[in-house]
Amino acid sequence: GENVEQHPSTLSVQEGDSAVIKCTYSDSASNYFPWYKQELGKGPQLIIDIRSNVGEKKDQRIAVTLNKTAKHFSLHITETQPEDSAVYFCAVPRGGSTLGRLYFGRGTQLTVWP
Amino acid sequence: DSGVTQTPKHLITATGQRVTLRCSPRSGDLSVYWYQQSLDQGLQFLIQYYNGEERAKGNILERFSAQQFPDLHSELNLSSLELGDSALYFCASSVDRGSLYNEQFFGPGTRLTVL
Repeated sequence: GENVEQHPSTLSVQEGDSAVIKCTYSDSASNYFPWYKQELGKGPQLIIDIRSNVGEKKDQRIAVTLNKTAKHFSLHITETQPEDSAVYFCAVPRGGSTLGRLYFGRGTQLTVWP
Repeated sequence: DSGVTQTPKHLITATGQRVTLRCSPRSGDLSVYWYQQSLDQGLQFLIQYYNGEERAKGNILERFSAQQFPDLHSELNLSSLELGDSALYFCASSVDRGSLYNEQFFGPGTRLTVL
């Protein structure tokens, strides 16, 4: 199956700083890259995704960048706030398909200190 | 709120027992996915149903089974439970109507504790 590696496993930042989480994947046919945020006691929430035909996508304070050649994509959160504290997961669909199962990274515990 | 509902929220049972987890997808979504989340294995895909039929299988144990009903809700059945089955079980749904990209939306999960 798809091998998805996510770094770092934990990240602590001061409120207002930026946070960057990176994922690498193995299947060069992959073409859809979602990011999920999981708060304590809740299910993963889709926060942003990117298709392979673009290199960057922004939505207010969050952005995702994609480097298909290097097979990695990153989540960028600017002007972090305490409510951004959560576990973030990257995911990649099976075998390059946009349908079907997602392979998840192991998650990054982000803590934003006020 | 993703629109995906799961019941029950918590389930405590004993080894050897059987339980059923229920999921209602978002209105209009045809695909339902089941995932297991544990500390050692992370988020792992179990099985997918599309419009009532099994579409894909992941690392699902033979003791586990699932089905999707005509109204598109799904149930995950776990039998002969072992301590190691204790985990969070999530259901996700996607529209899957020929769209090129299908976002998956997750429910709040069922926390299963096997004693």
